[in-house]
Amino acid sequence: GQNIDQPTEMTATEGAIVQINCTYQTSGFNGLFWYQQHAGEAPTFLSYNVLDGLEEKGRFSSFLSRSKGYSYLLLKELQMKDSASYLCAESLTTDSWGKLQFGAGTQVVVTP
Amino acid sequence: DGGITQSPKYLFRKEGQNVTLSCEQNLNHDAMYWYRQDPGQGLRLIYYSQIVNDFQKGDIAEGYSVSREKKESFPLTVTSAQKNPTAFYLCASGRGEGTEAFFGQGTRLTVV
Repeated sequence: GQNIDQPTEMTATEGAIVQINCTYQTSGFNGLFWYQQHAGEAPTFLSYNVLDGLEEKGRFSSFLSRSKGYSYLLLKELQMKDSASYLCAESLTTDSWGKLQFGAGTQVVVTP
Repeated sequence: DGGITQSPKYLFRKEGQNVTLSCEQNLNHDAMYWYRQDPGQGLRLIYYSQIVNDFQKGDIAEGYSVSREKKESFPLTVTSAQKNPTAFYLCASGRGEGTEAFFGQGTRLTVV
């Protein structure tokens, strides 16, 4: 998606930690979301940040810095089932309309 | 059970024919979205709607049309004007700007 940048692919070992960075457009910003998508399936919601700081949810954490237009998703204690695409998405408000804009996704490959 | 339903899961059409993809939700969500996903890529926004009888073009609206006559329904028509319609189409709904979207299972459209 336009104005949202995230790496194309990352590889990590089972049990390790991986951090997926995302930069986004700050104009009209109204929230940052992370989704997980397994091949051939619909995306599922992981996390939401609208204020600066870290949100922790089990093995997954998400961080936001609004002034820098930056977020990251941290995956800890990686498991094989975490191999998936991780999508950064931004809620934007333009002309009183709210839309949800997605990045291209980061393919995470977990190796044994 | 509350949810968002897309039908059919797989759809085949001949080139030059219009085809309509169904999306229904019983979550009482105001916002609904249509995205297109091509292999190995992220989600691109086609159309979105925040209220009944109103909708906005997304980033790739050309060759598509939508209607929002009921809160629960947001059908997408892929017209013959769409140059490359073969793709995975995802419908989503949410409470509105700044809130997460929930996805249907998607419709895989193949035009031959």
